[in-house]
Amino acid sequence: EAQVTQNPRYLITVTGKKLTVTCSQNMNHEYMSWYRQDPGLGLRQIYYSMNVEVTDKGDVPEGYKVSRKEKRNFPLILESPSPNQTSLYFCASSLGLERFTDTQYFGPGTRLTVL
Amino acid sequence: AQSVAQPEDQVNVAEGNPLTVKCTYSVSGNPYLFWYVQYPNRGLQFLLKYITGDNLVKGSYGFEAEFNKSQTSFHLKKPSALVSDSALYFCAVRDLSSGMRFGAGTRLTVKP
Repeated sequence: EAQVTQNPRYLITVTGKKLTVTCSQNMNHEYMSWYRQDPGLGLRQIYYSMNVEVTDKGDVPEGYKVSRKEKRNFPLILESPSPNQTSLYFCASSLGLERFTDTQYFGPGTRLTVL
Repeated sequence: AQSVAQPEDQVNVAEGNPLTVKCTYSVSGNPYLFWYVQYPNRGLQFLLKYITGDNLVKGSYGFEAEFNKSQTSFHLKKPSALVSDSALYFCAVRDLSSGMRFGAGTRLTVKP
């Protein structure tokens, strides 16, 4: 089954404790992206990747890191989480931005709480 | 920069009535517009998209959207709402430099 998976689905942590949220897709997609969803703000892009070893900042990259060493994986790293990073996080993938009719596929989400 | 706006936080309709969820856009160049739906505790699911061609786009679950270039709008519609349509709906525009830009979302509630 074609899908985007994220782990963990739920996470409660404390300020300053490094964490990683994993994202994996099995569709051989070139493009992957991380979003955070906050009430009244919709989805805001954190980082995106056009292909392996190519990453770039989205609209709200502060406090986050990503890496793209393999095509299927795109982990989101919070080196020193803070309470304002409490949010619902989504990973998404698509074939590639050059394909104008492209549709993004979303993971199930990770609800992160930073105390 | 590309952007979309959803002017209504909440839309309430009775089951069986037609529904409209509004979206306006601002783009440079040709617009590539999308609607996604989010059910409780789920990720976003693709509903439909406008790339070019017919201004009325048909999508999943009986939804359709009307592209109006003069009004820069892309409203989502359904002739007869179901209780199961209750969800959070997002309009989005393709930004060719970074990906997708989403609106703030509209919560649709369909009452029996």
